Amino acid sequence: AQSVTQLDSQVPVFEEAPVELRCNYSSSVSVYLFWYVQYPNQGLQLLLKYLSGSTLVKGINGFEAEFNKSQTSFHLRKPSVHISDTAEYFCAVRSTSYGKLTFGQGTILTVHP
Amino acid sequence: GAGVSQSPSNKVTEKGKDVELRCDPISGHTALYWYRQRLGQGLEFLIYFQGNSAPDKSGLPSDRFSAERTGESVSTLTIQRTQQEDSAVYLCASSPDRGRGSEKLFFGSGTQLSVL
Repeated sequence: AQSVTQLDSQVPVFEEAPVELRCNYSSSVSVYLFWYVQYPNQGLQLLLKYLSGSTLVKGINGFEAEFNKSQTSFHLRKPSVHISDTAEYFCAVRSTSYGKLTFGQGTILTVHP
Repeated sequence: GAGVSQSPSNKVTEKGKDVELRCDPISGHTALYWYRQRLGQGLEFLIYFQGNSAPDKSGLPSDRFSAERTGESVSTLTIQRTQQEDSAVYLCASSPDRGRGSEKLFFGSGTQLSVL
């Protein structure tokens, strides 16, 4: 079984500041990793995913995440945030051989002007 | 339709009543998930359907919860004898995934269930 821990439930930042949303996972097998975003009053949508290859993956809206196998982490970063990035972000993991997707508890990112 | 459709969007019911929530996945998507999102909490896995395989029911919180899916189409989640702690947004998602695990999920807008 897999589990995901998002270390921060809320992250407030000012506009144009950098941000990092932390995610750690636990699994005894190889995994795929995902970040989903839920904007206010909208459904969840995929931000980016790591399947294999380069450990640095780029997603939509300028976000990127780095897979660190030794630290079992998949932190999400953006060098300069916008007001429109205010949303809830979910880290998720699934085994490479079985499709059940397990989500973390979510991190609410609030960008202040 | 273009996306995952869930109905009703809102459901208010009295404690002890049964409710049925519906999910229409994207045509051709073999995988279908139900999650629950309680206020201020993350997504709680309930059940996963993948093609003709036996569903993974490991997330259903009690025997009051059940779900069915007809082939690769509509799914219904049924909650019997609802309790106040069942109040949450119930999210359905589908994926073209054929067991590889690499495809993204497409989420519906959810059903907001309120048990009075």
